[in-house]
Amino acid sequence: SYVLTQTPSMSVAPGQTARITCEGNQVEKKSLHWYQQKSGQAPIRVMSYDDERPPGVPERFSGTNSGDTATLTISGVEAGDEADYFCQVWDSDYDRVLFGGGTKLTVL
Amino acid sequence: QVQLQESGPGLVKPSQTLSLTCTISGASVNSGNYYWSWIRQRPGVGLEWIGSVLYTGRRFYNPSPKSRLTISVDMSKNQVTLSLRSVTAADAAVYFCARQHYDRSGSPVGWFDPWGQGTLVTVSS
Repeated sequence: SYVLTQTPSMSVAPGQTARITCEGNQVEKKSLHWYQQKSGQAPIRVMSYDDERPPGVPERFSGTNSGDTATLTISGVEAGDEADYFCQVWDSDYDRVLFGGGTKLTVL
Repeated sequence: QVQLQESGPGLVKPSQTLSLTCTISGASVNSGNYYWSWIRQRPGVGLEWIGSVLYTGRRFYNPSPKSRLTISVDMSKNQVTLSLRSVTAADAAVYFCARQHYDRSGSPVGWFDPWGQGTLVTVSS
């Protein structure tokens, strides 16, 4: 069955660029969305349909989806970006929503 | 501004039925291209989709708890309900409701936004 794989954790210094990846077989063919979840809070949408940034999300956030890898890029990382990030797709083979396991982003 | 609020018992005994309600404000449950969904998060674990329902009654459920699960829309109350039968310790989690966008295909391929704040469910005798 289809699986989305994310690196469990990563660390970035303030001002640097964080690239959070989500891997799946031919994931480029799926509509992929990204969420940010800060400690003790509900997730919020930060990217839709691969590269569409919702209103209110800083321009520092961008998304790509090509081949087997989707990437959420955060430029000029700030302390407030420290959170868990999850990718999500619709698996049409099994008619179900799938989430990646999440990546914990630590800002050094 | 659309807001979702989950409610229900915080403690359920094993083998009993978990019933949760999601109350929607700022939008009608039967408006727009949206499914209404439940997602849970076990302690320290990632997100698990439970199921999504459209006001027409069209439903999609996660195969895992599907046989124990019912998600319904109550248009008169503008609410979405979840019923999970025969719960075990593995069902203990924070349960979120969320609105899910769908495209012209009619399948819930879209993003979840907004989310409720979540409600913690403990399973214990």
